[in-house]
Amino acid sequence: TQLLEQSPQFLSIQEGENLTVYCNSSSVFSSLQWYRQEPGEGPVLLVTVVTGGEVKKLKRLTFQFGDARKDSSLHITAAQPGDTGLYLCAGARGNQGGKLIFGQGTELSVKP
Amino acid sequence: EADIYQTPRYLVIGTGKKITLECSQTMGHDKMYWYQQDPGMELHLIHYSYGVNSTEKGDLSSESTVSRIRTEHFPLTLESARPSHTSQYLCASSELGTSGIDEQFFGPGTRLTVL
Repeated sequence: TQLLEQSPQFLSIQEGENLTVYCNSSSVFSSLQWYRQEPGEGPVLLVTVVTGGEVKKLKRLTFQFGDARKDSSLHITAAQPGDTGLYLCAGARGNQGGKLIFGQGTELSVKP
Repeated sequence: EADIYQTPRYLVIGTGKKITLECSQTMGHDKMYWYQQDPGMELHLIHYSYGVNSTEKGDLSSESTVSRIRTEHFPLTLESARPSHTSQYLCASSELGTSGIDEQFFGPGTRLTVL
């Protein structure tokens, strides 16, 4: 059973388009993180959200944590080829001492 | 740039061989993790450690073993590799971020192929 469902799994868009990636669960998470992974490399942390309803912006990326802390979204404005990669959401539950549950990822391809 | 290293980056071996995947970090982090990742699939935690001489199995059952004799070093060993072990293995360490939540730093991974 997939605890964190990401959608879509694959997304291919043109440069300049906007997109949203979703991360959903039936479980409550104490915090949620988004990572970006490029081919042949390990994931790199983009953001951590901890409060229900929280919104964080990182340049053209906007992250939102759902009010009930069961879901999150990542919105990219005016996507660029450099945004290409695998986007992973990861949730922490309670006092798990740093352990994370990962979604299966969204593979984003931005074509020039 | 995170200072966490994994060797080898790629490994192709035959069935039955014993292998050790190396992971080292120079950040002084107490917590370290091993994940297994297959294409299009989520990262599965197979081992974690909260410090020297502390190791626990993760959510995904694995035939591999780990050790943590030094803070900076967290090697993973497979006594007898099988084709089902073919996967990408990612090592990570973590520290508390400004949000009060652990933030994980990943190595580049080892792509293991067992023939």
